Amino acid sequence: RKEVEQDPGPFNVPEGATVAFNCTYSNSASQSFFWYRQDCRKEPKLLMSVYSSGNEDGRFTAQLNRASQYISLLIRDSKLSDSATYLCVVNPGNQFYFGTGTSLTVIP
Amino acid sequence: NAGVTQTPKFRILKIGQSMTLQCTQDMNHNYMYWYRQDPGMGLKLIYYSVGAGITDKGEVPNGYNVSRSTTEDFPLRLELAAPSQTSVYFCASSSVLGTKGNQPQHFGDGTRLSIL
Repeated sequence: RKEVEQDPGPFNVPEGATVAFNCTYSNSASQSFFWYRQDCRKEPKLLMSVYSSGNEDGRFTAQLNRASQYISLLIRDSKLSDSATYLCVVNPGNQFYFGTGTSLTVIP
Repeated sequence: NAGVTQTPKFRILKIGQSMTLQCTQDMNHNYMYWYRQDPGMGLKLIYYSVGAGITDKGEVPNGYNVSRSTTEDFPLRLELAAPSQTSVYFCASSSVLGTKGNQPQHFGDGTRLSIL
């Protein structure tokens, strides 16, 4: 079983739409969780950490459900500049486990 | 703010050649990582280090070697380059939150390597 699983998409949404991504993880001992954004062939960049209580940063909201072992990312009022691949990352110990990413294209 | 610096940014190698990909960070992070990313695929961990003098294999270590003589530097060595090693290589670093897991990773810009 993979450490982290994500729906690869692609998600094609119109500007202004709300879109949600989910990610499941297998190691219940995982302690740190993150969402990264990756533009084509560039380095991953941290979008936000995910806390147990849920957290929000502008149009982005992240949630963690430890009981069901999944994390989610909600993007409201999508912008063209949100088009990218979104990576779910889980850290159960010394290593970080990356999902394969979910591709988002925001259409004018 | 330099962060994580990788050199070179691009390189073309012939089959059988060797080279070292350099990675240095100025954030005093204990943890450092090497990943490769093939086109359309996710990141795969090659090696990682939890501190100077300590290295561990990741998911795809074959054909690579690493060393960690200082906190700042974590070079990745390819001894006998093969076409299957054509990829984008990312170095990353992070710090630890004690028993609360790790801080997020910071990535370098990547090294685009082609083996012909």
